[in-house]
Amino acid sequence: ETGVTQTPRHLVMGMTNKKSLKCEQHLGHNAMYWYKQSAKKPLELMFVYNFKEQTENNSVPSRFSPECPNSSHLFLHLHTLQPEDSALYLCASSQVGGTPYEQYFGPGTRLTVT
Amino acid sequence: KNEVEQSPQNLTAQEGEFITINCSYSVGISALHWLQQHPGGGIVSLFMLSSGKKKHGRLIATINIQEKHSSLHITASHPRDSAVYICAVPTSGSRLTFGEGTQLTVNP
Repeated sequence: ETGVTQTPRHLVMGMTNKKSLKCEQHLGHNAMYWYKQSAKKPLELMFVYNFKEQTENNSVPSRFSPECPNSSHLFLHLHTLQPEDSALYLCASSQVGGTPYEQYFGPGTRLTVT
Repeated sequence: KNEVEQSPQNLTAQEGEFITINCSYSVGISALHWLQQHPGGGIVSLFMLSSGKKKHGRLIATINIQEKHSSLHITASHPRDSAVYICAVPTSGSRLTFGEGTQLTVNP
């Protein structure tokens, strides 16, 4: 049990669909992250939120739109995706000012774009 | 060249064997993480270390700051150790840079 949950666990969507990924952390952390993990590639940081404010956008295409309504919840809104966006999307959280860079990961959402 | 490189990329072992996975990095760090990712995707933090050696059960992690190198050892390996092992180093801000991972398969 990691304390970070993600829904859905699996998602298949067409290129014209709009869907959202949800992440919730139950650890009282104040920073949340979205990562993309493609086959045979290292984890790629997409977005970082500290205290609900976006502090990093790692040149992510606008078809990915994050939302952080509070410190416990993080969403990734998806629209007009491409097949190459198929990947595992991982959410993580950490405590800014706590043990340096110790991030707790959710189980991920396996996304397939058809 | 990646800032964080792991070797080997794939490793197959027989149950009971001693396993070593290596991580070399080219960026300055305050701490290095070893992570484990099981099939299905979830990632679990195994160790975070900034010097010396840490041990947890059958897992041992060492780091040499001067040589920018860390190793993860598994003693008496077991099929349930089969997973992807990833090292990660903090680079800037909240950013972690990850290695590509080592796929470990332990056969009974």
